[in-house]
Amino acid sequence: ILNVEQSPQSLHVQEGDSTNFTCSFPSSNFYALHWYRWETAKSPEALFVMTLNGDEKKKGRISATLNTKEGYSYLYIKGSQPEDSATYLCAFKTGGFKTIFGAGTRLFVKA
Amino acid sequence: DAGVIQSPRHEVTEMGQEVTLRCKPISGHDYLFWYRQTMMRGLELLIYFNNNVPIDDSGMPEDRFSAKMPNASFSTLKIQPSEPRDSAVYFCASSLLAGGGETQYFGPGTRLLVL
Repeated sequence: ILNVEQSPQSLHVQEGDSTNFTCSFPSSNFYALHWYRWETAKSPEALFVMTLNGDEKKKGRISATLNTKEGYSYLYIKGSQPEDSATYLCAFKTGGFKTIFGAGTRLFVKA
Repeated sequence: DAGVIQSPRHEVTEMGQEVTLRCKPISGHDYLFWYRQTMMRGLELLIYFNNNVPIDDSGMPEDRFSAKMPNASFSTLKIQPSEPRDSAVYFCASSLLAGGGETQYFGPGTRLLVL
């Protein structure tokens, strides 16, 4: 059974804090790892796609790293803002189109 | 492009009724996906199509669920008869290509409540 775990489940930070969370996935049969940002009452929006071990991606204050050998990815947010409040989902893809989503990390940023 | 369009956005129905959810993918995208999101199970892939042909429906929960894609710009997910445990948010997504690194673009979802 393929399992994708995200931790923590939820996170409360103050505006200006930097934060990070984890996505753990099976280290075998890896094809790609996606991060999505999902605001309440909206649809998931793609942040990053990572396919190679050691990949690092950055978009503004948000960045992500990938370790396929040990099966984890970190998402970092530098200087959190209230508008960063959302659920951050990771999705693990095996060969072909099998996609398994994590349960998400719900981030609350207080002004 | 308007993005992936889903309708209705909200649906409330009584147990036993037929429910039809609709999706219009982004023009030119060859792949269409139906997902279900619940508190207990998170986001689950139900079925996906390539060029209007169903490729993998192993995620469809049971025979009460069926999906069709009669043309490149329209797909339906039907539940008949509906049950309270079908209450969830149903998302449709589309992508251009098949690769694992290909981004899927999600629609706004249909929030279904079966009483």
